[in-house]
Amino acid sequence: DGGITQSPKYLFRKEGQNVTLSCEQNLNHDAMYWYRQDPGQGLRLIYYSQIVNDFQKGDIAEGYSVSREKKESFPLTVTSAQKNPTAFYLCASSLQGGGGTETQYFGPGTRLLVL
Amino acid sequence: AQSVTQLDSQVPVFEEAPVELRCNYSSSVSVYLFWYVQYPNQGLQLLLKYLSGSTLVKGINGFEAEFNKSQTSFHLRKPSVHISDTAEYFCAVSDSGTYKYIFGTGTRLKVLA
Repeated sequence: DGGITQSPKYLFRKEGQNVTLSCEQNLNHDAMYWYRQDPGQGLRLIYYSQIVNDFQKGDIAEGYSVSREKKESFPLTVTSAQKNPTAFYLCASSLQGGGGTETQYFGPGTRLLVL
Repeated sequence: AQSVTQLDSQVPVFEEAPVELRCNYSSSVSVYLFWYVQYPNQGLQLLLKYLSGSTLVKGINGFEAEFNKSQTSFHLRKPSVHISDTAEYFCAVSDSGTYKYIFGTGTRLKVLA
């Protein structure tokens, strides 16, 4: 079955620690996205990648970093610079990105909690 | 900049009753509109989308939405809801030629027995 997988489902971060959230897709999509979801705030874009080895900052990129070394994978690192990381993180992909007409396909999410 | 407003944060409705979830967007020359559903602790799933053409769009699970350009609205409707429709619903908008999708703050639909 084609789809997007995210791991882990729950992740705990200690003070000053960097943590990495995994996102893998087998839909052969070019574009991938990371969103942060907080209660009552909807989804906010962290990073976006339209092609391998290229990515752009979204609205709330501070304290986060990403890489896109493979088409299938778009990991997100939450660095110690992100002072309020507790949230639900969603990864998504779409066929090509750009144009504004594409459906985004979402993974099941990772809930990050701070110890 | 494009924006989306979902005025109702929560909507309780009895089973088999009709429901309307409201979505308004800021005006744009060319805009595309989406409704997604999110079940608890899961990702989002597309219900329907408006790209062009007929202003009445039918989606999955018996939902439909109507694009109203003059009122800049894209309200979601279902004539008869089921308990299984209990979820959070997000309206999203994008502009032509952009990668960016702007999501509303969501409406939590609670279907009561």
